Amino acid sequence: DAGVIQSPRHEVTEMGQEVTLRCKPISGHDYLFWYRQTMMRGLELLIYFNNNVPIDDSGMPEDRFSAKMPNASFSTLKIQPSEPRDSAVYFCASSSPGQGAGQPQHFGDGTRLSIL
Amino acid sequence: GQQLNQSPQSMFIQEGEDVSMNCTSSSIFNTWLWYKQDPGEGPVLLIALYKAGELTSNGRLTAQFGITRKDSFLNISASIPSDVGIYFCAGPFPNRDDKIIFGKGTRLHILP
Repeated sequence: DAGVIQSPRHEVTEMGQEVTLRCKPISGHDYLFWYRQTMMRGLELLIYFNNNVPIDDSGMPEDRFSAKMPNASFSTLKIQPSEPRDSAVYFCASSSPGQGAGQPQHFGDGTRLSIL
Repeated sequence: GQQLNQSPQSMFIQEGEDVSMNCTSSSIFNTWLWYKQDPGEGPVLLIALYKAGELTSNGRLTAQFGITRKDSFLNISASIPSDVGIYFCAGPFPNRDDKIIFGKGTRLHILP
């Protein structure tokens, strides 16, 4: 079975440029999550979707960040304009409902983003 | 806000030793999840606990759901080099089945 697929695996770009991260969730999963991981703050939930609809974006740091899920098999996280403090590893995860509280999430391998 | 505190933050052990780590919360949790993150990869679920007092094993890993519902423990027996990584505890936000919070992790290093 294919897991969660993220692209690109690495992105290096200059400050001020637009960055787009992509995610393909596991087929059949209804939930999709975007996380950011840094040494200082650990794993932070940015936003999540249920059936392609954004449910909670309270973790999105500021207006420079936006996320979309145009269909059940694709989501993007966009940063515009990017800043050096956005450098982190960004993870996408998906899960399916039905197992009660805290159903396990399946993570992609992440995108390592470096803003110069 | 809601926080999960993991300890220790990092561990340096010899191959073959047993490992113990824990996770505490100021709030009651109904589910505890333990994940492992290998270098350069995303976290992978190891064990899920759904009932207070529950003790669950997965190979050399054993996890327990604390009776108070405010803590959980993970033990690894007879550690091997591939156990290196970051171990995260996680649980759902109060009254939210679909959103979970992660601890900051315990980094496990195995000395040659």
